[in-house]
Amino acid sequence: GAVVSQHPSWVICKSGTSVKIECRSLDFQATTMFWYRQFPKQSLMLMATSNEGSKATYEQGVEKDKFLINHASLTLSTLTVTSAHPEDSSFYICSALGTDFRLTNEKLFFGSGTQLSVL
Amino acid sequence: GESVGLHLPTLSVQEGDNSIINCAYSNSASDYFIWYKQESGKGPQFIIDIRSNMDKRQGQRVTVLLNKTVKHLSLQIAATQPGDSAVYFCAANNDMRFGAGTRLTVKP
Repeated sequence: GAVVSQHPSWVICKSGTSVKIECRSLDFQATTMFWYRQFPKQSLMLMATSNEGSKATYEQGVEKDKFLINHASLTLSTLTVTSAHPEDSSFYICSALGTDFRLTNEKLFFGSGTQLSVL
Repeated sequence: GESVGLHLPTLSVQEGDNSIINCAYSNSASDYFIWYKQESGKGPQFIIDIRSNMDKRQGQRVTVLLNKTVKHLSLQIAATQPGDSAVYFCAANNDMRFGAGTRLTVKP
């Protein structure tokens, strides 16, 4: 089945540093990937839609300069949290939409998530 | 995007009982629905899907029912087990925005 690999699974960083999270589709091509953040006991909040070869589309209220998204290939999207602060501490999850209908059947496939803790 | 909401934020059941999780959607043009399960500290996982030309679909211990008349779908879990404890989300037409989800807790 389709697999989305997200790395790292957890990261602790100092305030003011930048953190990069990778999202890879391992056995299918994903022209579109999505980034979410999730606070404890809350739902997934869509942050941005990442399209291969073009600029990401950000949801209202999400700072594009704060959360840099790069989707350079059909199998990789990265989210960089720049100048991280304690309020950025959250669970970040990516998902990918497959292009091969027969393999992925239109479903979203999710990464395992990254727990970011900013000290 | 689609508007999909969940009736109940929490559901507690006894191990071995059946669970029913409900979901309402607002767009009558929605034609594809998916249920996801998210365990603590993990990303959501696909459980089962259904297209609008069906009103019932069964998987292993799970059944999804679709009522297009009232724009409602449900997820039924038979013989609920402790491993079923998680948050369950529904989505319509691969809408990337999710509702609050229902937290299922299975009591031993």
